[in-house]
Amino acid sequence: NAGVTQTPKFRVLKTGQSMTLLCAQDMNHEYMYWYRQDPGMGLRLIHYSVGEGTTAKGEVPDGYNVSRLKKQNFLLGLESAAPSQTSVYFCASSYEGTTDTQYFGPGTRLTVL
Amino acid sequence: KNQVEQSPQSLIILEGKNCTLQCNYTVSPFSNLRWYKQDTGRGPVSLTIMTFSENTKSNGRYTATLDADTKQSSLHITASQLSDSASYICVVSAIEDTDADKLIFGTGTRLQVFP
Repeated sequence: NAGVTQTPKFRVLKTGQSMTLLCAQDMNHEYMYWYRQDPGMGLRLIHYSVGEGTTAKGEVPDGYNVSRLKKQNFLLGLESAAPSQTSVYFCASSYEGTTDTQYFGPGTRLTVL
Repeated sequence: KNQVEQSPQSLIILEGKNCTLQCNYTVSPFSNLRWYKQDTGRGPVSLTIMTFSENTKSNGRYTATLDADTKQSSLHITASQLSDSASYICVVSAIEDTDADKLIFGTGTRLQVFP
């Protein structure tokens, strides 16, 4: 049982490049989330999904797109990376969306030059 | 505005000592309050979740308290160990008109335990 995994662990992009971050969970969770964590700030929700084929915007969705084609996977895309998107990105999952524990992945450290 | 404030920002203690971390929040409507532990370079790991009706919850040497009237929570760590060195994040969940509550994250308290 691997829990929540993220690929890649580190990435350096140039401004304007695109990339996709992959999140996978093997706990059969319905809910999945993408957060970003910046120094001196709490985690902020980018997008989330309440089930396969669904996505919804979080607090800071601009510049990102997501897809949930399979229940176990949640993809985060950056179409045209900007230096302001330099951050650590965390994926999380939970069985339901209110009182259930969210399980976090190990994070992806992204630097945009 | 929904906010979660934690204090202190950082704390240094000696191994074996106890410590208490504080969390004040202005979140409405309140759903639950969570404490997470985040080791350097890792994702947060849940320690406790408390709903409105719960005023204390323990997880081993970690005990969280909640005063919903004053909107304050504390995390008490007993007999600290070197492995307790981490950031501790207070997260308050607000009920939303959607399928998922909104989580408001504090900026964390960075705890360092020295031998």
